[in-house]
Amino acid sequence: NAGVMQNPRHLVRRRGQEARLRCSPMKGHSHVYWYRQLPEEGLKFMVYLQKENIIDESGMPKERFSAEFPKEGPSILRIQQVVRGDSAAYFCASSPPLPGLAGGNEQFFGPGTRLTVL
Amino acid sequence: AQKVTQAQTEISVVEKEDVTLDCVYETRDTTYYLFWYKQPPSGELVFLIRRNSFDEQNEISGRYSWNFQKSTSSFNFTITASQVVDSAVYFCALFSGSARQLTFGSGTQLTVLP
Repeated sequence: NAGVMQNPRHLVRRRGQEARLRCSPMKGHSHVYWYRQLPEEGLKFMVYLQKENIIDESGMPKERFSAEFPKEGPSILRIQQVVRGDSAAYFCASSPPLPGLAGGNEQFFGPGTRLTVL
Repeated sequence: AQKVTQAQTEISVVEKEDVTLDCVYETRDTTYYLFWYKQPPSGELVFLIRRNSFDEQNEISGRYSWNFQKSTSSFNFTITASQVVDSAVYFCALFSGSARQLTFGSGTQLTVLP
């Protein structure tokens, strides 16, 4: 039973380019969360998605960032026109389909994608 | 609003010493979960423990133990007889239904010296 997979593990982009980060949740998990860890800081929530729906994007920057979790395929975090301040580790987590707190909501983390913007 | 405070930014101990990492949380929810994660130098997040708000029993797992006290909103983590391999950043996190997201503390960098 494979864990949460993220690719690429490392991504280098120049300012102004686009970054696409992919996350494949654990088998049977339909909830995906994205977190960002800036250097020397803790993880900050960005967005929570279920299949084809954005449930909570309160942590997403208003511009240049978008996320999707299509019916088929991985979840994608897309950053347009990257700037140096976007350099960070981006973690994806998935959880089982139980929506409530009872028995669910334990989030399993992927290994992260380290984005470096030159 | 949810908040997790890890007041200790860095701790340094000598191997075999015991060390306690502090975690204080804030939430208005009565049902919530508390977590500890370890982030070694390689960068991945390793799940250590999850406790729900209705279970205040302390837990021990090998050299690790956790002390959950609702009265002081604390969920402290103790490593007994620390080892060099325990060197990592440790994060405390809170999940509650109203937020539907994990709120992390800023982490404590633990260095265990040989």
